[in-house]
Amino acid sequence: QITLKESGPTLVRPTQTLTLTCSFSGFSLSTSGVAVGWIRQPPGKALEWLALIYWNEDKGYSPRLESRLTVTKDLFRRKVVLTLTNMDPADTATYYCAQKGTKGHYFDSWGPGTLVTVSS
Amino acid sequence: SYELTQPPSVSVSPGQTATITCSGDKLADKYTCWYQQQPGQSPVLVIYQDTKRPSGIPERFSASVSGNTATLTISGTQAVDEADYFCQAWDTNIAWVFGGGTKLTVL
Repeated sequence: QITLKESGPTLVRPTQTLTLTCSFSGFSLSTSGVAVGWIRQPPGKALEWLALIYWNEDKGYSPRLESRLTVTKDLFRRKVVLTLTNMDPADTATYYCAQKGTKGHYFDSWGPGTLVTVSS
Repeated sequence: SYELTQPPSVSVSPGQTATITCSGDKLADKYTCWYQQQPGQSPVLVIYQDTKRPSGIPERFSASVSGNTATLTISGTQAVDEADYFCQAWDTNIAWVFGGGTKLTVL
């Protein structure tokens, strides 16, 4: 059974850096084709793709946010970490991590999400 | 930047067919999928690779893609299908893009 779970702060001050961790089980991020992505959703709004890290260390970032995003993986600890710098109230959202399986370009399994609020 | 356009809302009567569209430039040339999101829940994949259903997704969910439009069809819509639906596309040029979402109301 594949599971993912996001963790990190629920409240961040403007200009601070957000660090979120995705802890996963039930699959290997060493398997060819597998990736873990980050997606966010402001309250009542649409999903927005942020970043993705592949089994082979390749990474992809949203062009709109690329300058602020970094994604890394820790295979031993089965974790993927996302950092988003210079947080703004507009970054208030539920942040999800999700697994991309070995085939195709879609997210098979999602974590429950974590709501991050940016406020002074 | 690439955009996917969905109608904000669609209404359907129980037992009828619901149709949700997703429009984007040359969408048929990309890989498209659909997610269902119940209130307060994470998205769930209901269609992948344009037309395929994951195991566990009811047969009443189907999809097609042609030209600039992908269509999600729910036949014999049930009350449990009331949710937000998001399309998502991918290719090497646009990376990962989500549509704005459609709220399906089963009246």
